[in-house]
Amino acid sequence: DAKTTQPTSMDCAEGRAANLPCNHSTISGNEYVYWYRQIHSQGPQYIIHGLKNNETNEMASLIITEDRKSSTLILPHATLRDTAVYYCIVSPYGGATNKLIFGTGTLLAVQP
Amino acid sequence: DTAVSQTPKYLVTQMGNDKSIKCEQNLGHDTMYWYKQDSKKFLKIMFSYNNKELIINETVPNRFSPKSPDKAHLNLHINSLELGDSAVYFCASSQGISGGSQETQYFGPGTRLLVL
Repeated sequence: DAKTTQPTSMDCAEGRAANLPCNHSTISGNEYVYWYRQIHSQGPQYIIHGLKNNETNEMASLIITEDRKSSTLILPHATLRDTAVYYCIVSPYGGATNKLIFGTGTLLAVQP
Repeated sequence: DTAVSQTPKYLVTQMGNDKSIKCEQNLGHDTMYWYKQDSKKFLKIMFSYNNKELIINETVPNRFSPKSPDKAHLNLHINSLELGDSAVYFCASSQGISGGSQETQYFGPGTRLLVL
């Protein structure tokens, strides 16, 4: 079962920042927070991951709270092409397997 | 160049038939995966291979048999297809299985299987 909780859906105006929250209150010390997205009819796409510190890449920023029980994915300037289901996943590192457990995600609809 | 490719993209077949889906990655990764996305859009892992060795088998019926001839390929053979096997099957790969960036998975475009 997924160990994260996300809102079912969100809207965002084109050009504005999209802030997608995720709750992972039972996260363990050895678990990363990963974000993937799935645009309609495509395979999931990696966005970003982090352990404790905030992270930024060319796609997004990831803000992780100090207690690591929640995080926020920020798309700084959302476009129509960012409309997708966004999945927040926690996954341990250093183990013998690498299993992503997808929840139901957040459907982000970017409006023109 | 496509990083993770799957063939075929669409597969329509009759119940009881045997079919295979192929996956290839050109990323030089050591680990490959098969996921199943059902009609309700739930995405679940089925299998994972690391250096051609099976490391994850998630209570999948034994009608499903993955085969990894080399690190760049992971094929999925399905025997005696059933209606409930209709789904989208995604292949993925990662550099490794231990730690942060190594675990980032890259997904293929999916194979849409419809069993009639």
